[in-house]
Amino acid sequence: DAGVTQSPTHLIKTRGQQVTLRCSPKSGHDTVSWYQQALGQGPQFIFQYYEEEERQRGNFPDRFSGHQFPNYSSELNVNALLLGDSALYLCASSFDRGPIHEAFFGQGTRLTVV
Amino acid sequence: AQKITQTQPGMFVQEKEAVTLDCTYDTSDPSYGLFWYKQPSSGEMIFLIYQGSYDQQNATEGRYSLNFQKARKSANLVISASQLGDSAMYFCAMREGMEYGNKLVFGAGTILRVKS
Repeated sequence: DAGVTQSPTHLIKTRGQQVTLRCSPKSGHDTVSWYQQALGQGPQFIFQYYEEEERQRGNFPDRFSGHQFPNYSSELNVNALLLGDSALYLCASSFDRGPIHEAFFGQGTRLTVV
Repeated sequence: AQKITQTQPGMFVQEKEAVTLDCTYDTSDPSYGLFWYKQPSSGEMIFLIYQGSYDQQNATEGRYSLNFQKARKSANLVISASQLGDSAMYFCAMREGMEYGNKLVFGAGTILRVKS
């Protein structure tokens, strides 16, 4: 049973460019949340997708957008990249009607903006 | 205001000894959940243990136990019989409310190093 998979694992982009990160949830999960983890800090919630809709959003600018597909996989898009967007981006999946504490994380995508 | 506070940036523990990682939280919601995650250098967040605000007993999962003191708003993680593989970053997190959509709020983390 595959867990949460994220791609790519590493990425280097130039300031001003756009990037798309991908997440495939654990089998049976229907909810995907995205987090940004800057170096030396705890993860910060970006947004959550359920039934192909953004259900909740953290304090991130509109440059951060997402999408969820019918197969529950998800994309995180960041436009007009800034140096400060360099971070580990984590995806977490869960089952909406499952145990409240069960959220499984992927290994993340390390984004470097130069 | 900080919702999750982890005051220990780094901790050392001798192999086979127990260690306590501190976590205090702040919320006015009577329904919340507290989590501990382990993050090795690979980056993946590994779920360790969960405590609901209405749970009467402290949570335990193998070598991990959560010392939940509701009145003091603390949720310390106790790792017994430390192993070299326990060396990692540890995060305390909270979910306010019991709706499934609610986000996790993380602390800044504590780096644990286990010495042989």
